[in-house]
Amino acid sequence: AQSVTQLDSQVPVFEEAPVELRCNYSSSVSVYLFWYVQYPNQGLQLLLKYLSGSTLVKGINGFEAEFNKSQTSFHLRKPSVHISDTAEYFCAVSERAAGNKLTFGGGTRVLVKP
Amino acid sequence: NAGVMQNPRHLVRRRGQEARLRCSPMKGHSHVYWYRQLPEEGLKFMVYLQKENIIDESGMPKERFSAEFPKEGPSILRIQQVVRGDSAAYFCASSPPVGTQLRDTGELFFGEGSRLTVL
Repeated sequence: AQSVTQLDSQVPVFEEAPVELRCNYSSSVSVYLFWYVQYPNQGLQLLLKYLSGSTLVKGINGFEAEFNKSQTSFHLRKPSVHISDTAEYFCAVSERAAGNKLTFGGGTRVLVKP
Repeated sequence: NAGVMQNPRHLVRRRGQEARLRCSPMKGHSHVYWYRQLPEEGLKFMVYLQKENIIDESGMPKERFSAEFPKEGPSILRIQQVVRGDSAAYFCASSPPVGTQLRDTGELFFGEGSRLTVL
């Protein structure tokens, strides 16, 4: 069985400062990795995904993530946040041989302060 | 190109009533997934269906919950005899059929959710 751990439940950050959201996963097989964002009272929107190839993945809204197989991590980063980045961020994995079923972490709430 | 459509967006029920949540997948998608998000928690997988077939229901509670995806019409998540603990946001997601490129990447496309409140 696979699992996802997001180490920080809340991350306060000042506008224009960098932010890193941590994600670790466990799985006995190869996985695909995802970061989704959820704005208040809305659904989930895909930020970026890692399938294979380059371990540094760039997504929408200036976000990027790095896959580290040895540390089983997929941390999300943005060099300079905006007020509009205030949202909840979810890391997720799916096992390549098991269809599209996603397992989500508990989420990290980012609050950007002016 | 409409995305995943869920309705109702908000539903209020009294304890003991039934709740029915509907989900229409994106055009061309044949697989539907239901997730539940309890307050202040992440999303938990409930069930995965394709037309007229349940593929994986390992996350469904053993009682009162059922899901279907008929040949025609939307997928329906049904909760009988609701209790306060059922209050949550229920999200539907869809994906393309097997063999298409997107199907192999595991990406799901989510609706905006149905928020159930049980009084």
